[in-house]
Amino acid sequence: GESVGLHLPTLSVQEGDNSIINCAYSNSASDYFIWYKQESGKGPQFIIDIRSNMDKRQGQRVTVLLNKTVKHLSLQIAATQPGDSAVYFCAEKESSASKIIFGSGTRLSIRP
Amino acid sequence: DVKVTQSSRYLVKRTGEKVFLECVQDMDHENMFWYRQDPGLGLRLIYFSYDVKMKEKGDIPEGYSVSREKKERFSLILESASTNQTSMYLCASSLYGDYTNTEAFFGQGTRLTVV
Repeated sequence: GESVGLHLPTLSVQEGDNSIINCAYSNSASDYFIWYKQESGKGPQFIIDIRSNMDKRQGQRVTVLLNKTVKHLSLQIAATQPGDSAVYFCAEKESSASKIIFGSGTRLSIRP
Repeated sequence: DVKVTQSSRYLVKRTGEKVFLECVQDMDHENMFWYRQDPGLGLRLIYFSYDVKMKEKGDIPEGYSVSREKKERFSLILESASTNQTSMYLCASSLYGDYTNTEAFFGQGTRLTVV
């Protein structure tokens, strides 16, 4: 069945360094891949998405890379800050569907 | 700002009770969703609705039902609560008309404990 999973459950990064969070997906029919951030005590919040016909998309301090050959998605956060501490979820969606399917999440912690 | 409000932050219920989790959104969104979140399992979709009185099963609908009588309100019902339904429940909403819409707006969650 459909699944979106992550390689690592936790990631610890030095403040100021770049963070890379990885995700594997299995549904070839997905048209969009999405990253959400969940801070402690809050619901997930949309960060950025990428369409399946793209390889790279940049936002403010974040870049998402998509490799359809190996069904791999990554989120890069530049100059990681304490406010980036959160659980990050990758998710996927088909154009024909309303629902968004989430992966299991990676916890990002920042070392001072 | 879009606001999705869940009626309770914490709930403790007894096994066998009928439990209602309420969610209200103020942005006139057509889509509404209920997810449960468990450690290591991420967010799993229970039910969603794309219009009033319309509903579709998600990946784990067993033991749950939903009600959407008004566009802004989506209720999750645990017909007979069991301990394995102890979890964090998250409600979300999104626009329907644009199939490309990937942004769902979440409430703060309801942590339900069934004893």
